[in-house]
Amino acid sequence: NAGVTQTPKFRILKIGQSMTLQCAQDMNHNYMYWYRQDPGMGLKLIYYSVGAGITDKGEVPNGYNVSRSTTEDFPLRLELAAPSQTSVYFCASTGLGGGPLRTDTQYFGPGTRLTVL
Amino acid sequence: GQQVMQIPQYQHVQEGEDFTTYCNSSTTLSNIQWYKQRPGGHPVFLIQLVKSGEVKKQKRLTFQFGEAKKNSSLHITATQTTDVGTYFCAAPLEYGNKLVFGAGTILRVKS
Repeated sequence: NAGVTQTPKFRILKIGQSMTLQCAQDMNHNYMYWYRQDPGMGLKLIYYSVGAGITDKGEVPNGYNVSRSTTEDFPLRLELAAPSQTSVYFCASTGLGGGPLRTDTQYFGPGTRLTVL
Repeated sequence: GQQVMQIPQYQHVQEGEDFTTYCNSSTTLSNIQWYKQRPGGHPVFLIQLVKSGEVKKQKRLTFQFGEAKKNSSLHITATQTTDVGTYFCAAPLEYGNKLVFGAGTILRVKS
């Protein structure tokens, strides 16, 4: 299994440009997540999905959009890129919940480093 | 919203010294997870604690979950240069299969 894959690894955008960050997983996981990590900071949840066709906002959704047409893929769309979106973006996935007490491990992709100039 | 506070933000130790990072919540947690992120890498799961007062060990790493399930710690004995990175705690929100991450503790080890 490749696990969680992300493309591209690096990207430089100009202000106002748009792009899609790709994320795919081959573990048949229902749950998928997009996080951003600013330098020296923790992970902020942007959007998440509990299954194909179902998405919901996280903590910092403004300026982003997502779709989940298949179990495997969870692309993140940036419209009208701004310097504040310069960050490292991580996609993660997890299986169904482990029960009332346990939470499934999140498996992270290698990340996309995005710079908006 | 629910938050998980993690301290310290940064620690620089001499190789062979011990290291501890702490995680605190104002609410009772059903479980807590710990992740490690190497410089330039992505977070990797280390362990999950579920039971009140639970202690788990992985070689030189010791993980504890408080009796009230509101705090947790990660202790590394005799740090090595391979321990460098950022250590995050993470706990599930009250609803859904989502995690809230602490801000992380950056560990640097001087040889």
